[in-house]
Amino acid sequence: DGGITQSPKYLFRKEGQNVTLSCEQNLNHDAMYWYRQDPGQGLRLIYYSQIVNDFQKGDIAEGYSVSREKKESFPLTVTSAQKNPTAFYLCASNDRGVVNSPLHFGNGTRLTVT
Amino acid sequence: DQQVKQNSPSLSVQEGRISILNCDYTNSMFDYFLWYKKYPAEGPTFLISISSIKDKNEDGRFTVFLNKSAKHLSLHIVPSQPGDSAVYFCAANAYNFNKFYFGSGTKLNVKP
Repeated sequence: DGGITQSPKYLFRKEGQNVTLSCEQNLNHDAMYWYRQDPGQGLRLIYYSQIVNDFQKGDIAEGYSVSREKKESFPLTVTSAQKNPTAFYLCASNDRGVVNSPLHFGNGTRLTVT
Repeated sequence: DQQVKQNSPSLSVQEGRISILNCDYTNSMFDYFLWYKKYPAEGPTFLISISSIKDKNEDGRFTVFLNKSAKHLSLHIVPSQPGDSAVYFCAANAYNFNKFYFGSGTKLNVKP
């Protein structure tokens, strides 16, 4: 079955440490996205990538970094510069070659920083 | 600048009745609208979508209505079931946009 795998499901880190969240997809999608969800808020876009070796900042990119070395993978690093890193992180992908292609989401990673 | 808004944070409906979830948008460039369902600690699941060339799209118990002049869309669930209890997000996109815009979600509770 095709899908998006995010790991781990729960992640705990001490303040000041960088942490990398994994996202892998086998849907053969060109475009991948990282969103953040906070309680009572919608999904806010952190970074997105339309093609391998290219990515753009979303609405809340400060304190985050990404890479896109392979089509299947789009890891997100939460750096110590991110002021409020505790959140639920969602990775998504879609097929930009298809008109009106919906986003497909992984099951998320809950990051807790203390 | 919130371009997609869901003004009702929660909705409670009796099992078997109709659930109506609403969404407003501000950007007239949007031409593709989606609804997602989300359970706690899981990723959103795509539910149904509608293109701006239509005003209604139906899939089983779920129907989405689009009113372009009012910049408003709604999701109707008939009949509502307890398993429909979740948070519902609406989203919007335009073909030449690189990103989707999401509302803040409406938590639906269907009472048995």
